[in-house]
Amino acid sequence: KQEVTQIPAALSVPEGENLVLNCSFTDSAIYNLQWFRQDPGKGLTSLLLIQSSQREQTSGRLNASLDKSSGRSTLYIAASQPGDSATYLCAVRLTGGGNKLTFGTGTQLKVEL
Amino acid sequence: DAGVTQSPTHLIKTRGQQVTLRCSPKSGHDTVSWYQQALGQGPQFIFQYYEEEERQRGNFPDRFSGHQFPNYSSELNVNALLLGDSALYLCASSRPSGGTDTQYFGPGTRLTVL
Repeated sequence: KQEVTQIPAALSVPEGENLVLNCSFTDSAIYNLQWFRQDPGKGLTSLLLIQSSQREQTSGRLNASLDKSSGRSTLYIAASQPGDSATYLCAVRLTGGGNKLTFGTGTQLKVEL
Repeated sequence: DAGVTQSPTHLIKTRGQQVTLRCSPKSGHDTVSWYQQALGQGPQFIFQYYEEEERQRGNFPDRFSGHQFPNYSSELNVNALLLGDSALYLCASSRPSGGTDTQYFGPGTRLTVL
């Protein structure tokens, strides 16, 4: 059974700081991994999707990496802003697992002025 | 282009009642998945519909059922509601057959069971 863990559970940083969010998964037979952002009480916004054959993806100030062999992904946020405050979730889709996503419990990020 | 839409936004029910939640996928998407997100947790997969059939199911009792219509929209039905069914219910759409692996989520329906 695939288990996805995110560390830390919560993080508070001053504005402008670069930060790294971690995601680990137990089954390395993944098809892809997706990072999402969730604002309080809202739905999920897709940030980045990394296919199993890729090592990283970039979008603006965000960079996500994937290391299948170690079962890890990181989301790097450069020059953090108060508007980045949200919960960040990673989700794994398994090879042969259909379209089902298995989510971690998320990292709650607060960027302070 | 409208994204994934869900209705209603909020819903309050009492134990034992039945509820129906609705989802319209993003334009061009043909696959709809439903997730349950309890407070402080990550979403949990309920089931997925493609071509009007349930293709995959998570670890949820058969009180949870669904339907997909020819226009790809979908409904989630929950019977005999329990207090523990209180959660945010999220719908996601995609088009894996067309190479769209990214799943796009709707804003969710907040269900409160009293």
